[in-house]
Amino acid sequence: EAQVTQNPRYLITVTGKKLTVTCSQNMNHEYMSWYRQDPGLGLRQIYYSMNVEVTDKGDVPEGYKVSRKEKRNFPLILESPSPNQTSLYFCASGGAFNYGYTFGSGTRLTVV
Amino acid sequence: DQQVKQNSPSLSVQEGRISILNCDYTNSMFDYFLWYKKYPAEGPTFLISISSIKDKNEDGRFTVFLNKSAKHLSLHIVPSQPGDSAVYFCAASTGNQFYFGTGTSLTVIP
Repeated sequence: EAQVTQNPRYLITVTGKKLTVTCSQNMNHEYMSWYRQDPGLGLRQIYYSMNVEVTDKGDVPEGYKVSRKEKRNFPLILESPSPNQTSLYFCASGGAFNYGYTFGSGTRLTVV
Repeated sequence: DQQVKQNSPSLSVQEGRISILNCDYTNSMFDYFLWYKKYPAEGPTFLISISSIKDKNEDGRFTVFLNKSAKHLSLHIVPSQPGDSAVYFCAASTGNQFYFGTGTSLTVIP
């Protein structure tokens, strides 16, 4: 089954403790992206990647890092999480010229 | 500043009638527009898209209209079905950056 898999689904952590949210897709997609969803703000793009070793900032990249060492994986790294990063995070992937991206089921992160 | 706006947080429609969801944008450089549907506890699901060179795109019960001069996008669902009840997000892109609206929660009443 074609899918985007995010882990974990839920995470509660403390301020300053480094964490990684994983994202994996099995569709051989070139494009992958991370979003956060907050009430009243919709989904906002954090980072995106056009292919292996090619990443770029989205609308709200501050406090986040990403890497794309393999085509199927695009982890989101929070080096020093803060409470304002408490949010619902989505990973998405798509083909080079296909804008109908497939989203993962989301990761709800709480930073206390 | 929100570049893509959905000014109606919610909409209720009778089953069988037309649902019209609206979206406004501010950036004239957007070249591609999309609608996604989202159920609770799931990620958004792609519904339909339109290029800025077109003014209409149709896929079954779903039609998207684009009015570039007004910077306005709308999604028409005809006929509406109870299974269409979800949150609908419009999105716009310039290059590889995407901007989403805040969503409209559609309820289709049986």
